[in-house]
Amino acid sequence: ETGVTQTPRHLVMGMTNKKSLKCEQHLGHNAMYWYKQSAKKPLELMFVYSLEERVENNSVPSRFSPECPNSSHLFLHLHTLQPEDSALYLCASSQGDGGPSPLHFGNGTRLTVT
Amino acid sequence: GEDVEQSLFLSVREGDSSVINCTYTDSSSTYLYWYKQEPGAGLQLLTYIFSNMDMKQDQRLTVLLNKKDKHLSLRIADTQTGDSAIYFCAEDGQRNKLIFGAGTRLAVHP
Repeated sequence: ETGVTQTPRHLVMGMTNKKSLKCEQHLGHNAMYWYKQSAKKPLELMFVYSLEERVENNSVPSRFSPECPNSSHLFLHLHTLQPEDSALYLCASSQGDGGPSPLHFGNGTRLTVT
Repeated sequence: GEDVEQSLFLSVREGDSSVINCTYTDSSSTYLYWYKQEPGAGLQLLTYIFSNMDMKQDQRLTVLLNKKDKHLSLRIADTQTGDSAIYFCAEDGQRNKLIFGAGTRLAVHP
């Protein structure tokens, strides 16, 4: 079992669909993150959850809705997306205990909005 | 503000050394990181360095930190085709979040 698992790996959805991305971490970390990676742009931090509480929301449109039911699971609910939302969505986790807190990433969900 | 900059491309011959450079702006960063991303995958942590160190070596990887100039580099000795990937530099910014550079695409050719 890898440290951070994301499903699905690929997702194609129309602009009127509703779908969810799932992330699960098996590392015992207490912080989880959603990043968006688009072609030719730096990684964009979307949301941060620490101890299941949302601590960061980087002006993300409301068509993206995160959910963190416990410290091991993170969801990103999607509805009425736009074609420019097509990207690789990466989940990550970290320990966040004051020492080095490197992020451990999943392999991402490649989202295509048609 | 916080910003991390890297050159976008580097091409090296197999067996040569690769040096990937990065500059950052936040002098209060405690740790600096290097990540590798292969096609179709997420980012994999390669190594990190504490800000009071100036060098760290880990097998073929050498990280050099010049804190005065806010310059970080990653040297890969004896570069192999399997090292072809995008390499990201990151600093730990405010409130538990990492600030990433845009990534350097390393191409290794025979």
